[in-house]
Amino acid sequence: EIVMTQSPATLSVSPGERATLSCRASQSVSSNLAWYQQRPGQAPRFLIYGASSRASGIPARFSGSGSGTEFTLTISSLQSEDFAVYYCQQYNNWPRTFGQGTKVEIK
Amino acid sequence: EVQLVESGGGLVLPGGSLRLSCAASGFTFSSYEMNWVRQAPGKGLEWLSYISTSGSTIYYADSVKGRFTISRDNAKNSLYLQMNSLRAEDTAVYYCARVSGMWAPHDHWGQGTLVTVSS
Repeated sequence: EIVMTQSPATLSVSPGERATLSCRASQSVSSNLAWYQQRPGQAPRFLIYGASSRASGIPARFSGSGSGTEFTLTISSLQSEDFAVYYCQQYNNWPRTFGQGTKVEIK
Repeated sequence: EVQLVESGGGLVLPGGSLRLSCAASGFTFSSYEMNWVRQAPGKGLEWLSYISTSGSTIYYADSVKGRFTISRDNAKNSLYLQMNSLRAEDTAVYYCARVSGMWAPHDHWGQGTLVTVSS
């Protein structure tokens, strides 16, 4: 099983600032990496696929990068609605696995 | 608009069974693979199971293999999860999620249904 490790566990950021979230895979997942956002009490929302492609309707302030084992999600200028938990997921191998999540909170 | 609506959750005794359903609309259900994912209270996401468009290919997480069964009825636009031998650690919100291929992310999620396993 591929273990996905996200860091940091919690990120404190002021509105308007940049947030950088990391995700590391225990072995290569090529570019088969997705990011999801989950606000409290809501279902996950699909953000990024193929490590760097934005899903339909996702604002340009969200960007993804990386391949192999190291990935990054960047939110260029945090808006109030962006404070949430973010999960990475690999879909290169079975079982599919998620990271433990990074909570982005208001500083 | 793509919609996925889970139902069937509730309170069940340890060792009991429950069948979850996921009603799909707004897309051609028979053309998409489907998954179940769960989230224990205050915890992260855990992928549980995958089913291909025809139902001929199925995968499970080790944590539920032999206890849970995924199935689908394309005529009814519905996905199911039969859960047997339930344990306290199965307590979670269960989500169905669509994928547009075996090597694709979960692009649409339902709102989830809560399963509580407790005596």
